[in-house]
This record gives sequence, structure tokens and C-alpha cells, in this order.
Amino acid sequence: DVKVTQSSRYLVKRTGEKVFLECVQDMDHENMFWYRQDPGLGLRLIYFSYDVKMKEKGDIPEGYSVSREKKERFSLILESASTNQTSMYLCASSYPRSYEQYFGPGTRLTVT
Amino acid sequence: GENVEQHPSTLSVQEGDSAVIKCTYSDSASNYFPWYKQELGKRPQLIIDIRSNVGEKKDQRIAVTLNKTAKHFSLHITETQPEDSAVYFCAASKSDYKLSFGAGTTVTVRA
Repeated sequence: DVKVTQSSRYLVKRTGEKVFLECVQDMDHENMFWYRQDPGLGLRLIYFSYDVKMKEKGDIPEGYSVSREKKERFSLILESASTNQTSMYLCASSYPRSYEQYFGPGTRLTVT
Repeated sequence: GENVEQHPSTLSVQEGDSAVIKCTYSDSASNYFPWYKQELGKRPQLIIDIRSNVGEKKDQRIAVTLNKTAKHFSLHITETQPEDSAVYFCAASKSDYKLSFGAGTTVTVRA
């Protein structure tokens, strides 16, 4: 059974803070993805990675960066959190050359 | 990038009736079209998908149809049940394994 976990279910941070969101998968997936989910906007891709040390920008990368030092872990970093980054953040992973993505439970981030 | 539009944004149906959700996509190179279901407070999960070389696919009470010429695809749920209440997302992908999602449809099945 594929397991994708995220470090926190709920997080409250202040404007300007540096925020780390962690995602870990236990299925040796090579592909990993970070999305944000907002009402009426669906899931929007922030960054993705097809392998360790590799990262690619998605559709809305501004204000975010990522790190993938190990295959099983993909971190999303908000260098200086802003209120417009208040959202639900979902991590996903998939096997190489596979379209099916397995999602984590999500982190609801509130920036005040 | 790919633009996926999804309609309606909300759908309320009587238990036992059918539900239809429609999506359009912009990039003719897209060749894979999944549907994800997200129950309240849960993570999205794949429920059915279709590739561009197939026009229709069924799995029990759910079916997906694809019209490549018109660049639209639809999800059909028959004999709806309370457990079908959820948010449904369509998506499209080219051969790069990235998914572009629609905005979602909140389906409510009334008992």
C-alpha cells in the first residue's frame, strides 16, 4: 500500500517567516510533486521532481523553492511567507513513467 | 501550459439519479485524462482514467468518455449513492507525467 505522509496537518506561521513543508513516500517513487489547493482553483502545480537533486518549476513557483536530497523526501520551502500563501498544500508521488499520482493528506497552512 | 476547464462547479442530484461532469482541455498534445475523487477531509484518489486512443471506459457505476476532436471529456456516475458525495477533479497530461487539474466539482447526493 502506497504511503505518502506530510509533516504537519495544520500549520500557523507569521508573515515573513521561513516555512518548511516536508513530504515523505515509502514506495521508492521517483516522481514527486507539490500542489496548492484553493477553492474554485483546483490543484495547481508548484514544483515537481523526477529524481534526487532534480527539480522543475510548475505553474505557480513564485515565492516557493524545493529541495530533494533523498529519493523519498521532497521539501517545499516558503522563503518569506506571505498571507496570499495561506492554502492547503498537497504532496504527491508516482512511479517513473506512470501517470497515477498518490497524494499525501495535505497541510493546511495559515499565514497571519 | 495546459488549461483545463471543468463544469459545473457544484452539482446536486437525487440518490439513484445520474451525475455528469464535463471538462475541456486546450493542448491537443494531451493524451491522458484521469479523474480524482476527494472526500471531505481526505486526500484525492484516482477513480478512473482514459487515454487518447480510447473513446470510452467503464468501471461499474462510473464511466468516462473522450472526444479528442472537440477536446472534451466527461465523467458519468450512474445510480448515485450517498458515498458518491465528494469533490471530483478532472485532469489532463501530455507525455511528461505532470497533471493539469480542473477547478473541481462538488457533488452532493441527496437522500
